Amino acid sequence: EDQVTQSPEALRLQEGESSSLNCSYTVSGLRGLFWYRQDPGKGPEFLFTLYSAGEEKEKERLKATLTKKESFLHITAPKPEDSATYLCAVQAGTSYDKVIFGPGTSLSVIP
Amino acid sequence: EPEVTQTPSHQVTQMGQEVILRCVPISNHLYFYWYRQILGQKVEFLVSFYNNEISEKSEIFDDQFSVERPDGSNFTLKIRSTKLEDSAMYFCASGYDLGREAFFGQGTRLTVV
Repeated sequence: EDQVTQSPEALRLQEGESSSLNCSYTVSGLRGLFWYRQDPGKGPEFLFTLYSAGEEKEKERLKATLTKKESFLHITAPKPEDSATYLCAVQAGTSYDKVIFGPGTSLSVIP
Repeated sequence: EPEVTQTPSHQVTQMGQEVILRCVPISNHLYFYWYRQILGQKVEFLVSFYNNEISEKSEIFDDQFSVERPDGSNFTLKIRSTKLEDSAMYFCASGYDLGREAFFGQGTRLTVV
């Protein structure tokens, strides 16, 4: 069965303290991996798409990387406004439509 | 910046009643989706819609659910006879190409009492 897990479940960082979030997946034939940010009571906001191992994408303080079994979201010098839940989602197998979401990592950045 | 809009933001309904959740996807997008998120749980895929028909649906999307694109701009999710366990945040999303990222609306919080 296709599965997506994320760690840690929650992370508290001091402002400026860099760290990484992990997304591990066991799926049959990865087609794409997506990172989203979700603020409380809001819809997921798209951040990155990765398609193949070795691929990297960057946006401001965020950098996403992909290997054959996991993806990392690196946060460099975070600010309080980076506080949110970060969701990983994968598209796999024969489906181009169905996306499986992980449970998310809740990030709190303390000033 | 174009965005997906959903109405209403919050709907309270009695068990057994029909509800229709409405969405206006981004205008040049061709692929439309509904997801749901029960409080404190994962975002779950419900259904995808392309070229005026369902292209894929999950086990959650049973006969009580239906989707429609009644005109060129709206996309709706109907739940015929709501149950308590249908209480969740429902997200509409749209995408411009198959296999690419989807853009989500702000959600409709459905509360079944």
